[in-house]
Amino acid sequence: ILNVEQSPQSLHVQEGDSTNFTCSFPSSNFYALHWYRWETAKSPEALFVMTLNGDEKKKGRISATLNTKEGYSYLYIKGSQPEDSATYLCAFGSYNTDKLIFGTGTRLQVFP
Amino acid sequence: GEEVAQTPKHLVRGEGQKAKLYCAPIKGHSYVFWYQQVLKNEFKFLISFQNENVFDETGMPKERFSAKCLPNSPCSLEIQATKLEDSAVYFCASSQSDNEQYFGPGTRLTVT
Repeated sequence: ILNVEQSPQSLHVQEGDSTNFTCSFPSSNFYALHWYRWETAKSPEALFVMTLNGDEKKKGRISATLNTKEGYSYLYIKGSQPEDSATYLCAFGSYNTDKLIFGTGTRLQVFP
Repeated sequence: GEEVAQTPKHLVRGEGQKAKLYCAPIKGHSYVFWYQQVLKNEFKFLISFQNENVFDETGMPKERFSAKCLPNSPCSLEIQATKLEDSAVYFCASSQSDNEQYFGPGTRLTVT
């Protein structure tokens, strides 16, 4: 059974704080690791697709790193803003299938 | 279209009734995926299509769930004789061959 775990489950930070959360995934048959930002009742929004060990991607104040050998990825948000409040989901893609295995997400709440 | 469209937004069915959900993938995308989100943020894979062919159906409960993607029609997910535990948000996603999946806003199914 493929298991994708995210921690922490939820996070409350003050505006301006930087924060990070973790996604751990199986290191065998790795193809890609996806990060999504999801607000309830909206479409999950793709943030990053990462495929190479050591990869680091950035979009504005959000960045992500990938370690495929040990099976983890970090998502960082610099200078959190209230509009960053959402659930951040990671999803693992393996070589032998196109389906994604999702973690349970990290729910981020940024207080002004 | 440029976005994955799902209809209806919300569907209420009495236990034992049929439910049918629709998904229009992004134009030009040849892969379609269905996910079920029941508890917390766990997105559970149901089935995927490559064009009108089933690609992977390992997540589909065989007895009451069926899905189709016919040419020139929205894809559909049908649940015969719904049960209380089928209450969930059903997300559709589409992709080209580059593995990035774009999600629709989901259909919330409530079985009473």
